[in-house]
Amino acid sequence: QVQLVQSGAEVKKPGASVKVSCKASGYTFTNYNMHWLRQAPGQGLEWVGVMNPSRNSARYAPKFQGRVTMTRDTSTSTVYMELSSLRPDDTTIYYCARESGVLPKPLKSFDYWGQGTLVTVSS
Amino acid sequence: QSALTQPASVSGSPGQSITISCTGTSSDVGGYNYVSWYQEHPGKAPKLIIYDVSNRPSGVSNRFSGSKSGNTASLTISGLQAEDEADYYCTSYTSTTTPYVFGTGTKVTVL
Repeated sequence: QVQLVQSGAEVKKPGASVKVSCKASGYTFTNYNMHWLRQAPGQGLEWVGVMNPSRNSARYAPKFQGRVTMTRDTSTSTVYMELSSLRPDDTTIYYCARESGVLPKPLKSFDYWGQGTLVTVSS
Repeated sequence: QSALTQPASVSGSPGQSITISCTGTSSDVGGYNYVSWYQEHPGKAPKLIIYDVSNRPSGVSNRFSGSKSGNTASLTISGLQAEDEADYYCTSYTSTTTPYVFGTGTKVTVL
């Protein structure tokens, strides 16, 4: 069965960086896009970016451009999201989510999600 | 980029049907058949319940159905059950620089 397992909660100081991992299993890793989204407690969802594990290419939301980097390790079927220059308003839960539909025909919805990683930014 | 507009809350009695609206623009909901809906229970990750406006993933109850008219998409839950009490979010692909826009979320309460 498809599973996405994320790394544990992090506490960081303003200005620091955080790297969150998402280990996939139960499917062919390079056949599906992997997205990162975030959700502040009690708030709506926000799209951060997407990694194409096959092409090793990423696309980021303009809001995070320059601060976010997504990478992947095909040997461990893991996608990483690193966010730098952290600010208190980056305190939120970060999710990885697989995009439905096998590449090169993704379906623009998110069919499997990780359990979420809480990142807290506080001095 | 503005979020899609959903009612903050919708409620219904067990067995009733409820409908949640999701209003966007011609650049998102009205322009693409890539509207999806997610159910989120407290402390849990979102779960896909509708994709491509009206398709249900395998394993999702047929009590959930989706539709779209113009710039507004809708999610209908029929035969409301206690387990349906959750937050629901719509999302749409969009032609703007951020390719996905999300709804403001709707809290469904089963009376």
